[in-house]
Amino acid sequence: DQQVKQNSPSLSVQEGRISILNCDYTNSMFDYFLWYKKYPAEGPTFLISISSIKDKNEDGRFTVFLNKSAKHLSLHIVPSQPGDSAVYFCAASDSNSGYALNFGKGTSLLVTP
Amino acid sequence: DTGVSQDPRHKITKRGQNVTFRCDPISEHNRLYWYRQTLGQGPEFLTYFQNEAQLEKSRLLSDRFSAERPKGSFSTLEIQRTEQGDSAMYLCASSSRYRDGELFFGEGSRLTVL
Repeated sequence: DQQVKQNSPSLSVQEGRISILNCDYTNSMFDYFLWYKKYPAEGPTFLISISSIKDKNEDGRFTVFLNKSAKHLSLHIVPSQPGDSAVYFCAASDSNSGYALNFGKGTSLLVTP
Repeated sequence: DTGVSQDPRHKITKRGQNVTFRCDPISEHNRLYWYRQTLGQGPEFLTYFQNEAQLEKSRLLSDRFSAERPKGSFSTLEIQRTEQGDSAMYLCASSSRYRDGELFFGEGSRLTVL
């Protein structure tokens, strides 16, 4: 069963605009959430994370928002750049098995000039 | 290059053969993970080592899959009697004890079973 869901397989955004990538989860035990970015022929690269004790975490152009009651998180990229074009994976873990990340299927972001 | 390295990058084998993948983690990382990724899916957790101890292996896909990390440094993932359904990208990752969840992934080993 897919405990982390990314319902948008793809997203296209113009350069300079905001990209919003969404992620939903079903397991209420999840307490740590991460976003990874993946370019073709490379492994996933850690981007940003958030603990369940927070509702927002910001790192430069990237901000992750967590809505625990809705079991929803989102990644905002502002402003979007062509180099941001990649597949973005949402991942989650719980404190009992924090070593095992549960990944969504990914959203392919294309930022057009 | 001090990243996670995996070898081979691509392996083509016939059904029924055994294959082994090697992973060299970032040297100061004591945690090592194996994931599998199939087309259109996110990475799927397989197993986890802390130093040389394999602390979780219940999510290995079948008893044909085994992993070792004999000296707490590099690791191997072996698949015996390969099946066509084993065709996937096998990803290794490592992390330091201080940053749980922030995994550093290698480029992966792609397995094609004919």
